[in-house]
Amino acid sequence: DGGITQSPKYLFRKEGQNVTLSCEQNLNHDAMYWYRQDPGQGLRLIYYSQIVNDFQKGDIAEGYSVSREKKESFPLTVTSAQKNPTAFYLCASSDRAGDHNEQFFGPGTRLTVL
Amino acid sequence: AQSVAQPEDQVNVAEGNPLTVKCTYSVSGNPYLFWYVQYPNRGLQFLLKYITGDNLVKGSYGFEAEFNKSQTSFHLKKPSALVSDSALYFCAVRVPSGNTPLVFGKGTRLSVIA
Repeated sequence: DGGITQSPKYLFRKEGQNVTLSCEQNLNHDAMYWYRQDPGQGLRLIYYSQIVNDFQKGDIAEGYSVSREKKESFPLTVTSAQKNPTAFYLCASSDRAGDHNEQFFGPGTRLTVL
Repeated sequence: AQSVAQPEDQVNVAEGNPLTVKCTYSVSGNPYLFWYVQYPNRGLQFLLKYITGDNLVKGSYGFEAEFNKSQTSFHLKKPSALVSDSALYFCAVRVPSGNTPLVFGKGTRLSVIA
């Protein structure tokens, strides 16, 4: 998990609330990613960013939003439009997207909707 | 489109015995292939990757994987399993020219029994 921090570790949200998950990396990586993990479904890509001020939707972007104003930061907002947000969220980074470089993962944030 | 299949949700092996976790892939062109491990409530840790060259790749913690192009497989292996190897294992693929993030399989849970 070294080099990538996610906060908070646990997050509780009431229905109808937006929440923002933090992801910071000190690896000087260009690319950053957000995945959602549900039991039995593996990792599903929400959004990714190959460079500052640019990002692309992944497979399950609906109900989520991101920003990439700084190279080291890629926060994810889970909006009230996301109907089933309870999950484990993982942030990752790599030198560049679309290359042979491995992705490095943060420790994750577990979001629970009350 | 690129995809990864991990045909076994669960693999059980006795401590000291060899272990194999299976992975098959579907891509257009030559793939980059990766294995990651995840311990409970943690992020993913990189184990090894295949880019090109020797079909047998050695990685962390005594793990290795064999790339088989004709069978489109990249099975993870270890000669002698440890109880501490018990975890969730993910196979992932990327097409070099695709400029896209890793695509992950659904994961295989490995249980090593003492």
